[in-house]
Amino acid sequence: ETGVTQTPRHLVMGMTNKKSLKCEQHLGHNAMYWYKQSAKKPLELMFVYNFKEQTENNSVPSRFSPECPNSSHLFLHLHTLQPEDSALYLCASSQEGSDTQYFGPGTRLTVL
Amino acid sequence: GENVEQHPSTLSVQEGDSAVIKCTYSDSASNYFPWYKQELGKRPQLIIDIRSNVGEKKDQRIAVTLNKTAKHFSLHITETQPEDSAVYFCAASVDNFNKFYFGSGTKLNVKP
Repeated sequence: ETGVTQTPRHLVMGMTNKKSLKCEQHLGHNAMYWYKQSAKKPLELMFVYNFKEQTENNSVPSRFSPECPNSSHLFLHLHTLQPEDSALYLCASSQEGSDTQYFGPGTRLTVL
Repeated sequence: GENVEQHPSTLSVQEGDSAVIKCTYSDSASNYFPWYKQELGKRPQLIIDIRSNVGEKKDQRIAVTLNKTAKHFSLHITETQPEDSAVYFCAASVDNFNKFYFGSGTKLNVKP
């Protein structure tokens, strides 16, 4: 599938590193989302962007910084992460007026 | 905010049997309830959804029922097959708010 893509697929980083996750959607949608998926926990919504404007920040620590330069691209900038931030980070997109979310394949992040 | 609970966390059935997964929600304003299937190492994919103006929806071997009064909804899979083995997530949201609350997931194992 090429509807929603994410890079990298796997990332290992130290606690002092700075890295970025990238999401791109090719579906013409105008809403994009970041989710965190940890083992044995519900999917946690982190951020929502509608028409490039952030409409939701679900009490996410400032070491996670989202950026949405246009309606097709979404970034998650990471710095000084903690080992407990290790998880699968999923991006999703949807079209306003439709509730169906389409997920990307995720980035498996490991923080050492 | 909304709280979605999902049970059971694991479910093992024999091929050909039926499987039922249940979710409850807390916010009576929620009116859209999707179900996602996530196979090992893959992204969540929407398999069926229901809105609060209907009580049941079917798509071949999959059905979803909704009880608004009791605030619970269920996924029913009939004639299960090994390829149904995956983690299933329920979610609840309010139209046009772009905010989804997910259950913790049910790992379904269909034994051949």
